[in-house]
Amino acid sequence: GESVGLHLPTLSVQEGDNSIINCAYSNSASDYFIWYKQESGKGPQFIIDIRSNMDKRQGQRVTVLLNKTVKHLSLQIAATQPGDSAVYFCAENMGGFQKLVFGTGTRLLVSP
Amino acid sequence: DAGVTQSPTHLIKTRGQQVTLRCSPKSGHDTVSWYQQALGQGPQFIFQYYEEEERQRGNFPDRFSGHQFPNYSSELNVNALLLGDSALYLCASSLEETQYFGPGTRLLVL
Repeated sequence: GESVGLHLPTLSVQEGDNSIINCAYSNSASDYFIWYKQESGKGPQFIIDIRSNMDKRQGQRVTVLLNKTVKHLSLQIAATQPGDSAVYFCAENMGGFQKLVFGTGTRLLVSP
Repeated sequence: DAGVTQSPTHLIKTRGQQVTLRCSPKSGHDTVSWYQQALGQGPQFIFQYYEEEERQRGNFPDRFSGHQFPNYSSELNVNALLLGDSALYLCASSLEETQYFGPGTRLLVL
């Protein structure tokens, strides 16, 4: 069935540490993946995306890695800050019409 | 440039009532998608509108319907509300693949 799941529901880190959030997806035909950050009471905020013809993409303090062999996606956040505390979702584009399938999310808690 | 906007921000209804939620897409975007997010879960795709037509639909009953206007704004209508319809309703707009979300409408059904 359709599913995008996360290995860890909660990740607690210290300020300044690097954070890694993992995600497994099930549809090998998916060709586009997005990471979103959602703060309490707000809508999901786009962080970074990656297409299936890439295995790595970097943004400002964030890196997304895609391993199609094991259908695994990760989000790396460098020098994590308290403002990074939120729930992070990976989403999978299933089909050509931009239907996104989300996992249940990982809560990132950053301690000062 | 305003991002995706939604109205109202919060809404309380009773079972059996009908509700209409509204969304204005980001400037330049022509596609609007609607998602339902229950507490503690990820968003679930309801449907997507492009060129004023429903292009794709998720696993939601016919009580959920929508509309897209010539200016690309969109409405989500839910009839015969159930307690289980209580959720955050998110609108996302896009021009190509990347979807940008609005702040959502929090619906509580009593």
